[in-house]
Amino acid sequence: ETGVTQSPTHLIKTRGQQVTLRCSSQSGHNTVSWYQQALGQGPQFIFQYYREEENGRGNFPPRFSGLQFPNYSSELNVNALELDDSALYLCASSFLLAGGISSYNEQFFGPGTRLTVL
Amino acid sequence: KNEVEQSPQNLTAQEGEFITINCSYSVGISALHWLQQHPGGGIVSLFMLSSGKKKHGRLIATINIQEKHSSLHITASHPRDSAVYICAVISPDSNYQLIWGAGTKLIIKP
Repeated sequence: ETGVTQSPTHLIKTRGQQVTLRCSSQSGHNTVSWYQQALGQGPQFIFQYYREEENGRGNFPPRFSGLQFPNYSSELNVNALELDDSALYLCASSFLLAGGISSYNEQFFGPGTRLTVL
Repeated sequence: KNEVEQSPQNLTAQEGEFITINCSYSVGISALHWLQQHPGGGIVSLFMLSSGKKKHGRLIATINIQEKHSSLHITASHPRDSAVYICAVISPDSNYQLIWGAGTKLIIKP
């Protein structure tokens, strides 16, 4: 069984640039959630993708967008980077039942991508 | 008031001590997660529980649904247990997305 993987591990960008982060979900999972964790803070929910559709979104602007592919891997795209976007970006995969809702929703996390915006 | 409160915020103990971290929540939940995060690292799921008690090695998690309270215990603590421990709940009020506690930073001294 393959765990959740993320790439790249670290990334440095400048303000105004665009970035794409990638996540491969655990085998058998159909859902990927993305979180932003600023230094010293708890994770903040960005959005979740279930079967290639957005299945919930946190309080993040539209310049944060995502995709999920038929193999359930996912991308997080951030346009027009700002200094405050510097954070650890975590993805988590899970298996949701039909309808995209699960009262159990156990999530398995990847190691994260550390993004620094200069 | 946050929907998920953890205590203490910070905890420093000597190797071998019995550790307890508490989590209280104010929303209805379907399940509760205990997670571990090492400095600069990703998050590891320790337990997922909706009732009673679970044990894995030196870690024990309990939950009291009526009191809306959960505890994470570490027996015979070791410096490698030093990490941030996070409680997160799954609630129908949040469309079954995780509601996160602020975390408890644990340092175990040799």
